[in-house]
Formats: sequence, C-alpha cells, structure tokens
Amino acid sequence: DAGVTQSPTHLIKTRGQQVTLRCSPKSGHDTVSWYQQALGQGPQFIFQYYEEEERQRGNFPDRFSGHQFPNYSSELNVNALLLGDSALYLCASSPPGLRHYGYTFGSGTRLTVV
Amino acid sequence: AQKVTQAQTEISVVEKEDVTLDCVYETRDTTYYLFWYKQPPSGELVFLIRRNSFDEQNEISGRYSWNFQKSTSSFNFTITASQVVDSAVYFCALPAGGTSYGKLTFGQGTILTVHP
Repeated sequence: DAGVTQSPTHLIKTRGQQVTLRCSPKSGHDTVSWYQQALGQGPQFIFQYYEEEERQRGNFPDRFSGHQFPNYSSELNVNALLLGDSALYLCASSPPGLRHYGYTFGSGTRLTVV
Repeated sequence: AQKVTQAQTEISVVEKEDVTLDCVYETRDTTYYLFWYKQPPSGELVFLIRRNSFDEQNEISGRYSWNFQKSTSSFNFTITASQVVDSAVYFCALPAGGTSYGKLTFGQGTILTVHP
C-alpha cells in the first residue's frame, strides 16, 4: 500500500520563477495538507484541501496557492519565488472522519531558489 | 494561539542509554491531542505516538514511553535502550481545534544522535 508520494524530490529554481509541486495521498485518504519546513525548523502549515476546496490556511502570502483534484491528489503552486522560499515542502494526507492515528507524510520536495 | 516548545536543540547519547525528549505546549482548547513524529535523514515525518488530553495514563510501547502531565502542559517522550537507528530529528506537534484534525503546530525539533 503506497503511502504519500510527492514529486519531484528535488528542484532548483531561479528567483522570480514559478513552481508546482505535486502530491498523491495515501490510498483511502481524502484530505491533503501542505507544510513548509525551513532548514533547522519545524514544519509550518501552509493550507489544507478537502473536497477540492481550501479549508484552512496558515500565515502564508497569496503567492502560495493550491489545488485538489477529484482523485484527491493535490498541487502546491508558488509564484514569484524568493530566496526565502527555499525549504522542504511536505505533503500530509488524512482519512475521512475525525478518528485516526495521525497524518501520513510524504518524503517531501526539496526546493532550492537561487 | 497554540505553541509548542522543545527546549532541547540537540541530544547526544551512546547506544543503550535511555533518552527523554521534552515538550511543553500552550493551547486554549480544553480537550486536545498531542503527537510525536520522527524525521530521519530521508525527510519523511514518521508518526510515533498520539495522546489525548482526557486520558493522562502514561503508556509504554516497546522501547517508547511517554509522560503526559496536563497540569504542567508537558508531553515528554522516552526512548529506552537507544539504538543508532533512533538517530533522527524528533518533533512534538499539537493539532488545532481540540480534537479535530486541523493544522498541526510543531515544535522546533530535537536532533537526537545515538553513537555506537
């Protein structure tokens, strides 16, 4: 049973460019959350998608946007990249209902902005 | 606002030593869950344990045990007889909204290095 898969694993972009990161949730999961983890820090919540809509959002600018598809997969888009956007981007999925034993995280996409 | 504090930035132990990771949290929710995650060098956050605030019984699972004290807002995690494979970054996390599964607030993480 595949867990959460993210692509690509590594990415190098130039300041000012746009980037799209992809996430396929674990089988049976319908909710996807995105986190940004800067080097040496804990992950910071970006937003969460459920039923193809953004349900919660963290303290991130509008340059960060997302989408969820009917098959529950999700994309994270970042426009006008800044050097400070360099980080590990983690996707987490969770199943329907309130009772479960934690989110399932992917291995992340390491984004470097130069 | 929620807050999670892991005061220990780095811990270094020799294999077979016991090690305790500290976590202190702040929340206005009356009931809530707490998590511990492990992040090995591969980057994936691996779920370790979940605890709910309305059950303060401390538990042991294999080499892992945890000490939850609501009165002091602490949720400490102990690894008994540490092994080299336990080397990783450990995060304590608190979901928003009490028992709902909203966004997680993470601590800064504790880097654990277990030497052979």
